[in-house]
Amino acid sequence: AQSVTQPDIHITVSEGASLELRCNYSYGATPYLFWYVQSPGQGLQLLLKYFSGDTLVQGIKGFEAEFKRSQSSFNLRKPSVHWSDAAEYFCAVAPYAGNNRKLIWGLGTSLAVNP
Amino acid sequence: DAGVTQSPTHLIKTRGQQVTLRCSPKSGHDTVSWYQQALGQGPQFIFQYYEEEERQRGNFPDRFSGHQFPNYSSELNVNALLLGDSALYLCASSLLGRSNYGYTFGSGTRLTVV
Repeated sequence: AQSVTQPDIHITVSEGASLELRCNYSYGATPYLFWYVQSPGQGLQLLLKYFSGDTLVQGIKGFEAEFKRSQSSFNLRKPSVHWSDAAEYFCAVAPYAGNNRKLIWGLGTSLAVNP
Repeated sequence: DAGVTQSPTHLIKTRGQQVTLRCSPKSGHDTVSWYQQALGQGPQFIFQYYEEEERQRGNFPDRFSGHQFPNYSSELNVNALLLGDSALYLCASSLLGRSNYGYTFGSGTRLTVV
C-alpha cells in the first residue's frame, strides 16, 4: 500500500537558519509528490509539487524540494527560515497519475522558529 | 475570486447525532473532495464528487455520505456520530479537466463530538 513517512514530528530552528524537512514515500511507480503548509486556523496551502522532469523543484515562499528516486525521498528545504514559517508541514503523494484523485498524506512536521 | 468556503467553522454534537457540513468550491472548479484530519494526523481522504456523483471513496464507513449539487457545492453528512469522528473536516475543490492536482482547500470545519 502507498504510504508517506515524515520522520520528524517536531522541529525547532532559529530564525535565519536553514531548514530541511524529510519525506519518504512508498509507491511502486513514479508518484506525484507534494508539500503543503497549514497554519493554525487555515486551510492547506500548496508549497510545491513534483510530477516529472527536473528533480529540484522551486516553490512559493522560498521553499524548494528535491526528488531522489533512489532514496524514495522528497525533502523540503529553505536556506533561511523566517518567523512566519512556523506552521505544520505535510508531504503528500498522489497514487494515481492525473485526474486529480485522492492524496495520501504524511502525519506532518510541526515547525517552530526561535527568534 | 473567492476560494473554498466551508460552513460552519466549528460545531459541537452529541454521540449518536447526525451532522451536515457544507462546502462551496472555488469559482470555476467542478470537483469537490472531502478529507478528515484528526488532531496530530495528516488528512485522510473520505470521498470525491464530480457531476453530482461519488467518483472515488476512501476507507470510511457508510455513516459518511455526501452530495454534490448542480452548482458544484457539496455536503458531507455523518450519521450516528462517534467520539472518534471528532476532527477537522477539510473540503478541497479542483477542476477535473486539469490533471495537475490543483486543489484549493478550505479552512475546514472543526467538529467536536461529546
